[in-house]
Amino acid sequence: ILNVEQSPQSLHVQEGDSTNFTCSFPSSNFYALHWYRWETAKSPEALFVMTLNGDEKKKGRISATLNTKEGYSYLYIKGSQPEDSATYLCAFRSGSNYQLIWGAGTKLIIKP
Amino acid sequence: DTAVSQTPKYLVTQMGNDKSIKCEQNLGHDTMYWYKQDSKKFLKIMFSYNNKELIINETVPNRFSPKSPDKAHLNLHINSLELGDSAVYFCASSQEQGNEKLFFGSGTQLSVL
Repeated sequence: ILNVEQSPQSLHVQEGDSTNFTCSFPSSNFYALHWYRWETAKSPEALFVMTLNGDEKKKGRISATLNTKEGYSYLYIKGSQPEDSATYLCAFRSGSNYQLIWGAGTKLIIKP
Repeated sequence: DTAVSQTPKYLVTQMGNDKSIKCEQNLGHDTMYWYKQDSKKFLKIMFSYNNKELIINETVPNRFSPKSPDKAHLNLHINSLELGDSAVYFCASSQEQGNEKLFFGSGTQLSVL
């Protein structure tokens, strides 16, 4: 059974501080790793799709790294702002199954 | 223009009824999906369609049936609704199954009374 785990489950961060959280996934038969941002009462919105070991992607103050050999990805947010408050989901796709396996998410709350 | 639109946004109905949720995408994508957000807030895949062909069906009761009249639409029909069907259902689409990102609809909150 393929398992995707995200930690921490929730995180309170002071506005202006930087933060990061983790997505762990199976290290064998890797195909792709997705990150999504899900604001309350909205739908998930794609941040990154990463496919290569060592990949690093950036979108404004948000960046992500990927280690497929050890099965983890980090999402970093620099200088957190109130609008960054959301649940951040990662999803793993293996080479043998097109289905995306989703983590439970990290709920990020930015304190003003 | 909304890229992936699903209707209705809210659906309240009685047990035993039959209902449909519609989904349309104007992105020209090849693959569409239905997800259910379970009680623990996990997103669980229900179905995906690629060029009108069902390619994933995750142990979903056969009361649920996807209908795709064309590449831009994937509707979800639910027969004999049960209390446990109450959840938020999300439609999504992607250019291909693989490493392309998903675009989600705004969700349909289904409440079965």
